[in-house]
This record gives sequence, C-alpha cells and structure tokens, in this order.
Amino acid sequence: DSGVTQTPKHLITATGQRVTLRCSPRSGDLSVYWYQQSLDQGLQFLIQYYNGEERAKGNILERFSAQQFPDLHSELNLSSLELGDSALYFCASSVGDGTYEQYFGPGTRLTVT
Amino acid sequence: AQSVTQPDIHITVSEGASLELRCNYSYGATPYLFWYVQSPGQGLQLLLKYFSGDTLVQGIKGFEAEFKRSQSSFNLRKPSVHWSDAAEYFCAVGADAGNMLTFGGGTRLMVKP
Repeated sequence: DSGVTQTPKHLITATGQRVTLRCSPRSGDLSVYWYQQSLDQGLQFLIQYYNGEERAKGNILERFSAQQFPDLHSELNLSSLELGDSALYFCASSVGDGTYEQYFGPGTRLTVT
Repeated sequence: AQSVTQPDIHITVSEGASLELRCNYSYGATPYLFWYVQSPGQGLQLLLKYFSGDTLVQGIKGFEAEFKRSQSSFNLRKPSVHWSDAAEYFCAVGADAGNMLTFGGGTRLMVKP
C-alpha cells in the first residue's frame, strides 16, 4: 500500500458525459501527478500540482482539467468523454517539487461506452 | 525531450534463473531514473531509483539496477527470479522541472515453473 488513495476504482460512463476522479496523496506529500495508461499510448504524464499550484503539463487534452485543493487532495475532471478516453488513470504523489520519487495510487479504470 | 526505450516487450524466464531487463534513455542532462513494477490490476510500485552517486543501486524484492552513462542504460537485474515476480516492469526517467516521469513501454515478465 503506497498511501495514495484514488476513488472510484472503476467508472463506466457514456460518450459525451463528464466524470471526476479523486486522489488523496500520501500524508506529507505536497505534489500530485496524474498519469493516463492506455494500451495504445502506454503511460503518459498529464499534469502536476504542487501545493495547490499547477506546475507542469503534459499530454493533457483541453477537455481534461485538474485542481489541487487546500487539503492537498486533487481531482481530475474529464468532460465530453470519447471512447478513446477509456484508460487507467493513476495519481501519484511526492514530497516536493523536483527530484523525488513518486508513489502511485491503485488507479481508476474508466470505461467509456 | 526525454525518452525511454525498453527493447523487450515480453520476457520469459524459468523460476530460479537470473533476470536482466533492459532500459535505454535519452536525456540531455543527468537523468533521474526509476524502475516500477505493476502486477495485474494493481498500481505501480517503486522498485528502485537512481539520482546520483553509486551507479549500482539496490531496491526492494532483491532487485538491483546499474546506471551506465556511456551506454545511456539503466538495466534491472535479479539473480534468482521467483514466480511472484511475474508482472510488468516499467523504466522511467524524471525531468528536472517538477520531475514528471516519462515511461518506457514496459516489459512483461513471465516466470516458468
């Protein structure tokens, strides 16, 4: 158990819908990262927040957004969902912003039908 | 931009045999390197990391990896594989800013009894 929690574990929704994925980092960690794992794209970095501020952006679609709240939990919002958004979404956390190891949550499996 | 290549998509070894999983990276500066393991339906667990110093690093579960700058490699090794090591292994490189991880495509390890 990494100490990173993600809810829900599974999510099944229809095209065009909007969903919110939630992540709670390890106690004491200030950075939260979101990654997407799919069969065709592999594991890809989406976005990072550090202490409430956006720090880095990767291959995140405009339909996706995220935020980190004062209690340091983070939410990833996915809207206008398409079939291709079906994937495993991981949250990871690290103690700081920079050269630190990241600890991953169990993931949320999103299925868009 | 950094990139990671794991040349072997699948590897099968016999239980008790030694293991080496290959990882090659491309990055302009000193890389921060990681190996993660993902069991079916699970999140990613950090096996070991290299930031600086001794180029041979020890990790959990009896794994080690060696950083070779001249070969841009960070290969993972284990002297004697156990059936429970069957999983997918990911090599990753961290960038300076925020340490977002770039992952290789993964190597799926199967262990024969």
